[in-house]
Amino acid sequence: DAKTTQPTSMDCAEGRAANLPCNHSTISGNEYVYWYRQIHSQGPQYIIHGLKNNETNEMASLIITEDRKSSTLILPHATLRDTAVYYCIVRVVGFNKFYFGSGTKLNVKP
Amino acid sequence: GAVVSQHPSWVICKSGTSVKIECRSLDFQATTMFWYRQFPKQSLMLMATSNEGSKATYEQGVEKDKFLINHASLTLSTLTVTSAHPEDSSFYICSARDGVSGRLGMETQYFGPGTRLLVL
Repeated sequence: DAKTTQPTSMDCAEGRAANLPCNHSTISGNEYVYWYRQIHSQGPQYIIHGLKNNETNEMASLIITEDRKSSTLILPHATLRDTAVYYCIVRVVGFNKFYFGSGTKLNVKP
Repeated sequence: GAVVSQHPSWVICKSGTSVKIECRSLDFQATTMFWYRQFPKQSLMLMATSNEGSKATYEQGVEKDKFLINHASLTLSTLTVTSAHPEDSSFYICSARDGVSGRLGMETQYFGPGTRLLVL
């Protein structure tokens, strides 16, 4: 699996957009980008995933660069409940395993 | 999204005893489930892949005789920590793969809420 690099922590003001970057410069053509988050003492929660096109759902938007070497998860209007560790994972299609990196701790502040 | 449950949510046991943790997919069938372990302030570490009707496959460094996995049905996988010791105290999390989302590549994993194990 391609390795991902994320900043250790980020701050965001409540109500503002949170933009979380992820670098995956060694990603292969058949690897998807997944985002999960883990709120303290809970299991990870699925957010979004994509291959090369930008994706949007009710939780967030995923922007993948044209060369696919990096991506950004966007929470359009962060709330205090979005405070969590956000994980960016790349996974080969048809290969089930997820290997978690260290993630980004997002602190949403009032 | 799909729902995965775990039972118990927390357990305290004496050193040397065995503890069983259940993982259930509540509204979908999961041919594959995964078990992770997470120590405080660390990321999730994949322990093993549980396949319905066959033997689990373990990640390097994980003792298969200590962490017994059974996946007897499409909705249930169990992890048994045998002869638990204080160093096995951790947060154990399962996930289930929803492989019937339609488009190839769009399948994903859904995680349970975790089980906190404390071995005294």
